[in-house]
Amino acid sequence: NAGVMQNPRHLVRRRGQEARLRCSPMKGHSHVYWYRQLPEEGLKFMVYLQKENIIDESGMPKERFSAEFPKEGPSILRIQQVVRGDSAAYFCASSPLAQGDFYEQYFGPGTRLTVT
Amino acid sequence: AQKITQTQPGMFVQEKEAVTLDCTYDTSDPSYGLFWYKQPSSGEMIFLIYQGSYDQQNATEGRYSLNFQKARKSANLVISASQLGDSAMYFCAMRGGFTGGGNKLTFGTGTQLKVEL
Repeated sequence: NAGVMQNPRHLVRRRGQEARLRCSPMKGHSHVYWYRQLPEEGLKFMVYLQKENIIDESGMPKERFSAEFPKEGPSILRIQQVVRGDSAAYFCASSPLAQGDFYEQYFGPGTRLTVT
Repeated sequence: AQKITQTQPGMFVQEKEAVTLDCTYDTSDPSYGLFWYKQPSSGEMIFLIYQGSYDQQNATEGRYSLNFQKARKSANLVISASQLGDSAMYFCAMRGGFTGGGNKLTFGTGTQLKVEL
């Protein structure tokens, strides 16, 4: 049973470019979470999605960031017009059940974004 | 709002000794879960142990145990018989219930553990 897959593992973008980060949840999981880890810090929640729905985006910056989890295909975290402060590790996690049910979140290996 | 506090930025322990990593939390939610994750230098997040707020017994997983003191709002991780491979960053995290943010995890700032010969 494959774990949570993220790609690319490393991404380099110049300031002003777009970054697209992909996450394929574990088989059977329909809930995806994105977290960001800035250098020397803990992980910070960004967004929680179910298939075709954004459930909680309270941690998303108001501009340039968006996320989707379509009916088919991986979840995408999109960062437009990247700036140096976006350089971080972006982790995706998935779980099998809905809000209120306590199940483990399984983390992917992360995507390390470097903005030059 | 939920908050996790890890007051030890770095810890050293001798190989084969036990070590306790501190974690305190704050929440108004009566139902919550507490997690510990390990992040080695390679960067992935490895789940170690989980404690539910209504669990009567302290959680244990192999060499890991969670010292859960609900009244003090603490959830310290105890690693017994430390090994060199335990050297890593350790994060405490909390998940709230219906009123505390649902399934999203709130993380502490982490403790860097180094195991020495």
